[in-house]
Amino acid sequence: DTGVSQDPRHKITKRGQNVTFRCDPISEHNRLYWYRQTLGQGPEFLTYFQNEAQLEKSRLLSDRFSAERPKGSFSTLEIQRTEQGDSAMYLCASSLAFGPNYGYTFGSGTRLTVV
Amino acid sequence: AQSVTQLDSQVPVFEEAPVELRCNYSSSVSVYLFWYVQYPNQGLQLLLKYLSGSTLVKGINGFEAEFNKSQTSFHLRKPSVHISDTAEYFCAVSLLGANNLFFGTGTRLTVIP
Repeated sequence: DTGVSQDPRHKITKRGQNVTFRCDPISEHNRLYWYRQTLGQGPEFLTYFQNEAQLEKSRLLSDRFSAERPKGSFSTLEIQRTEQGDSAMYLCASSLAFGPNYGYTFGSGTRLTVV
Repeated sequence: AQSVTQLDSQVPVFEEAPVELRCNYSSSVSVYLFWYVQYPNQGLQLLLKYLSGSTLVKGINGFEAEFNKSQTSFHLRKPSVHISDTAEYFCAVSLLGANNLFFGTGTRLTVIP
């Protein structure tokens, strides 16, 4: 297990289409996070899971966004009816447990371009 | 509410010269502080973190940062940079008991040969 994997690395979609991204965390990590990074900005928190439970959602996560983590393993982030403003890098991170001592391991991200 | 300010969006520096990347934060409660580095087309990698104790924190790749509570700063330094240090650097804070990080807007460090 070499780290957090995200798929796909790049996605180009037409406005109005639905897209789904996948994140595979480090296997023993029970916490999984999604962040969004737009051009020239730092990452912004979207949501996090502890095992299969989604425990917190940012107000950035509109009703067009949905995230799941079935069985507490991989996670998916779906965006419905994409808009140009959704163009960003979507980053996934995982951690072993709660608290900054455990740190985050980030994946390489999925870059979404909505045309 | 908390916020993180990275005062310089771009910092060019010659190879083997020292560098300081500035970070200031605001928060009404105690925070944990982090520096991350992002190489092109890659995720973020933790450079160092301050949780408690000594205010001078040493990280990977020869970087260090100093926590200054009175000035609410956490500046990142390296005495001699290499070409391979060219990247985007993000300062971040986490509130005690919080589950997420708040990032600054980043500083692009460009090392000139």
